[in-house]
Amino acid sequence: DAGVTQSPTHLIKTRGQQVTLRCSPKSGHDTVSWYQQALGQGPQFIFQYYEEEERQRGNFPDRFSGHQFPNYSSELNVNALLLGDSALYLCASSLLGGKLFFGSGTQLSVL
Amino acid sequence: DAKTTQPTSMDCAEGRAANLPCNHSTISGNEYVYWYRQIHSQGPQYIIHGLKNNETNEMASLIITEDRKSSTLILPHATLRDTAVYYCIVRVEGDTGRRALTFGSGTRLQVQP
Repeated sequence: DAGVTQSPTHLIKTRGQQVTLRCSPKSGHDTVSWYQQALGQGPQFIFQYYEEEERQRGNFPDRFSGHQFPNYSSELNVNALLLGDSALYLCASSLLGGKLFFGSGTQLSVL
Repeated sequence: DAKTTQPTSMDCAEGRAANLPCNHSTISGNEYVYWYRQIHSQGPQYIIHGLKNNETNEMASLIITEDRKSSTLILPHATLRDTAVYYCIVRVEGDTGRRALTFGSGTRLQVQP
């Protein structure tokens, strides 16, 4: 049984560009959450999707948007990239608010 | 969700028990204590959680004080592979709002050979 998978593993972009990150949840999970982790800090909650709608959102600007597909997979989009968006982006899946399972993340570098 | 306080870092000798403390003095009656750990370059990994009774699984034991204001995660025989950042989190389980996890800075555990 595959766990949470994220793609790509690494990405380099320049300021002002747009980026899309992808996540496939653990089999049987219906809820996907996205977290941003800056170097040396704990993960920070971005938003959460289930039933194809954004259900909760952390303190992130609307440059950060997402989508959940009928198969429960999800995308995170970031527009107008800033240097400060450089971070590890983590996807986590869960079922009915239970414990979260995390992927290994996408390391985004903005130059 | 209640806030937690953890030491910034700890060392432990390989083969010895690692005891990681966490204070959560403002915990509510329906909030569980969760522990996750994050090994370098990986996503956080669930370890254990509990409400008020002590819990044990194949990875660790969780001891929660009677007043629930603090807890200790115990790794009974630490190995080098247990070197990681350990996060103590409190949250409502099974919340219909599917509440997000709020991570602090965690405890960086270094297991020494």
